[in-house]
Amino acid sequence: DVVMTQSPLSLPVTLGQPASISCRSSQSLVHSDGNTYLDWFQQRPGQSPRRLIYKVSNRDSGVPDRFSGSGSGSDFTLKISRVEADDVGIYYCMQGTYWPLVTFGQGTELEIK
Amino acid sequence: QVQLVESGGGVVQPGRSLRLSCATSGFIFSSYGMHWVRQAPGRGLEWVAAIHYDGSRQYYAESVKGRYTISKDYSKSTLYLQIDNLGAEDTALYYCARDKGTVTPDFDYWGQGTLVTVSS
Repeated sequence: DVVMTQSPLSLPVTLGQPASISCRSSQSLVHSDGNTYLDWFQQRPGQSPRRLIYKVSNRDSGVPDRFSGSGSGSDFTLKISRVEADDVGIYYCMQGTYWPLVTFGQGTELEIK
Repeated sequence: QVQLVESGGGVVQPGRSLRLSCATSGFIFSSYGMHWVRQAPGRGLEWVAAIHYDGSRQYYAESVKGRYTISKDYSKSTLYLQIDNLGAEDTALYYCARDKGTVTPDFDYWGQGTLVTVSS
């Protein structure tokens, strides 16, 4: 099994300040095709998940450039440059490299301090 | 526009069966793989099952193999998830998601979810 471990699990942030979430996988997420299939999802309260980042660092359409993804191998980070009230929710990383095994991280709850 | 609308959830007794539906519109259903992802109350996301765009292959999480069956009805553009021998561990909000990937899952649209509660 590929285990995805996020930290912190709870992230209180002051409006306008940066935020950073770590995601580590128990195995390298580099696929045999050379890509790294690590995505980030946002789940606002009461809503369905929405993908923000795919393949480590590519922002989905409509995602503000305040969100950025980075990392390689088994160590990844989602950064929000300036947190806004609209960013409250739970953030999940997900690996697809080992398809047909799909694994999500435990989730990181971002709240406004 | 792409729409995914789940239904079929409810309160079900342990040991019974249930079929969840995901009615789709706004895209060519036969061209996309589809998935089910669930979220137990207060818990994170858990991938459950997937079906190839043409229905030729199905994939399941180890935790549900043997009790869950995913299928597609192309005439109705609807995805299904049959759950047999329900237990407390099946209590969750079940989402369907569209997959536009060709190598690995690429979830671009999600439904709003349907809640399954297993209780006597």
